[in-house]
Amino acid sequence: QSALTQPASVSGSPGQSITFSCTGTSSDVGGYDYVSWYQQHPGKAPKLIIYDVSNRPSGVSNRFFGSKSGNTASLTISGLQAEDEAEYYCSSYRSGSTYVFGTGTKVTVL
Amino acid sequence: EVQVLESGGGLVQPGGSLRLSCAASGFTFTNYAMTWVRQAPGKGLEWVSGFNGNYGTTHYADSVKGRFTISRDTFNNTLYLQLNSLRAEDTAVYYCAKRTGDSKRAAMDVWGLGTMVTVSS
Repeated sequence: QSALTQPASVSGSPGQSITFSCTGTSSDVGGYDYVSWYQQHPGKAPKLIIYDVSNRPSGVSNRFFGSKSGNTASLTISGLQAEDEAEYYCSSYRSGSTYVFGTGTKVTVL
Repeated sequence: EVQVLESGGGLVQPGGSLRLSCAASGFTFTNYAMTWVRQAPGKGLEWVSGFNGNYGTTHYADSVKGRFTISRDTFNNTLYLQLNSLRAEDTAVYYCAKRTGDSKRAAMDVWGLGTMVTVSS
């Protein structure tokens, strides 16, 4: 079961906006609106920050924005802050009753 | 407070078995799908298995199908993952996670701290 494709790393300065992608196929990202995003700090459990493509759970900053076009989902972080430095994983339901995560993107705040 | 807490990890020899537990609290256990996700050292997240809340259907990643079994005890609000025929590549932190609804498609909104499984001779 191949993972969704994400860029290995993205960086930005404090206050800037960054956007990175999550590419799948019509069997996962493109076929369902069940894309979610997770933030993981080193040594910690993942934290849900976006679900169902663009919805934010209660308590998650509105600086996080999710979207999707075709087989590619994207996460935008606006007003980048030091605390945003972490690993980010996308995920999607995949046909055949399985679930798949992305390869992960390390966000560095310069 | 809604939370899940894993236990049962440890060191096991190749070919051995282990049972992981996930104690859930603060929500109606049978109303939500639950899942296991693992993360090998220095690697990304990998979905392992899922259990739907009301219908009790189970799902597995190809990498563990036939070796791992997911189950639950609704009396004790506990999710289990039985790991058999363990291999070195099963070495990972195993996370239990609650889904946002009773669907295999739903996102995972509550995660435990994880339990480490090491397969080595």
